[in-house]
Amino acid sequence: QVQLQESGPGLVKPSQTLSLTCTVSGGSISSGGYYWSWIRQHPGKGLEWIGYIYYSGSTYYNPSLKSRVTISVDTSKNQFSLKLSSVTAADTAVYYCARGVEMATIFDYWGQGTLVTVSS
Amino acid sequence: QSALTQPRSVSGSPGQSVTISCTGTSSDVGGYNYVSWYQQHPGKAPKLMIYDVSKRPSGVPDRFSGSKSGNTASLTISGLQAEDEADYYCCSYAGSYTFEVFGGGTKLTVL
Repeated sequence: QVQLQESGPGLVKPSQTLSLTCTVSGGSISSGGYYWSWIRQHPGKGLEWIGYIYYSGSTYYNPSLKSRVTISVDTSKNQFSLKLSSVTAADTAVYYCARGVEMATIFDYWGQGTLVTVSS
Repeated sequence: QSALTQPRSVSGSPGQSVTISCTGTSSDVGGYNYVSWYQQHPGKAPKLMIYDVSKRPSGVPDRFSGSKSGNTASLTISGLQAEDEADYYCCSYAGSYTFEVFGGGTKLTVL
């Protein structure tokens, strides 16, 4: 059973960089066919796809966030990470990591989510 | 504003059927057979309920079904049960620039 777990600071100051890591267990990130994803949910709002990464390092980002987002992968640790720069209060959200199957809008395993608040 | 349009809320009584719509464009829902649906209970992570428009993952009851006509996808839940009360989100592939877009979500109330 694949499990994902987000980790990182729950509070980030405005203009700083939000950094989160997702640790995958029960399966290898290096397995082909999966796109390791970040998705966020603003408080009381809907889901927003941030981006995903293939184990080879190929990345795909939401055009509205692309200038501020970096997703990276560390196959030796079976982890992938999110960095979002120049954050504002509008980036306050629950951040989920998830496994995407192929590039077919199938997010079959999700982490529990972590709330990141942007505030001074 | 979300890329895909869903009704904000729907409701039904136990045993009844409800349908949730998800309207996009020819660049997303209408252009690909890559539409998925997610169920989210309060404080929980979303759960995949339907993928590839109408396929059910293992373990999802056959009371849940999906379909698509033109630019609109639909999720139908038949034989409503109390535990079906949740938020539901659609998601569609939107091509090699936008990739993935979600709907704004629909709150299902079981009366």
